[in-house]
Amino acid sequence: ELKVEQNPLFLSMQEGKNYTIYCNYSTTSDRLYWYRQDPGKSLESLFVLLSNGAVKQEGRLMASLDTKARLSTLHITAAVHDLSATYFCAVDNNFGNEKLTFGTGTRLTIIP
Amino acid sequence: DTEVTQTPKHLVMGMTNKKSLKCEQHMGHRAMYWYKQKAKKPPELMFVYSYEKLSINESVPSRFSPECPNSSLLNLHLHALQPEDSALYLCASSQGFQGASGANVLTFGAGSRLTVL
Repeated sequence: ELKVEQNPLFLSMQEGKNYTIYCNYSTTSDRLYWYRQDPGKSLESLFVLLSNGAVKQEGRLMASLDTKARLSTLHITAAVHDLSATYFCAVDNNFGNEKLTFGTGTRLTIIP
Repeated sequence: DTEVTQTPKHLVMGMTNKKSLKCEQHMGHRAMYWYKQKAKKPPELMFVYSYEKLSINESVPSRFSPECPNSSLLNLHLHALQPEDSALYLCASSQGFQGASGANVLTFGAGSRLTVL
């Protein structure tokens, strides 16, 4: 069974600081996704990482994938309050079906 | 139109009631999903329909019954639910793995928040 774990589970950081969220998964997969969820809202797709070494950046967020280590990172640069949300990574099970397993989630709070 | 629309947004039901959650997408997506999300937890996959056929059933109790009347619509019929079934129910759709990129990006609806008394 595919397990996807994130750390930290909770992160409180000051505006302007940098930090990294880690996503580890237990079985081979070439496809990893990052989603954002605001409180009481739905999930929004942020990044799709499709190969070893893939790096994607959007604004203050940058995601990377190391398939050999089964690790993805989401790096936040110079955090701003608008980035406060819960971030989920999600992994395809590589069986060619549509099953997507979500990580445990990281609740990020940016303090002014 | 890049939306997935879910109705109702909120539903309160008793354990003996029968109700349905509805989901609609007009993006031409071939796969539609039901996820259940408890507070402060990740979404958990319940069902996947691919080309209107049930392709994944994650051993969900039979009190949840999915239905896909056509490629744009997905329903979740609820009967004899328990209080622990109270959660946010998220519908999503995707192209599947058909695209050249091989990615399967899900577009989620706003969710239906269900409370079972």
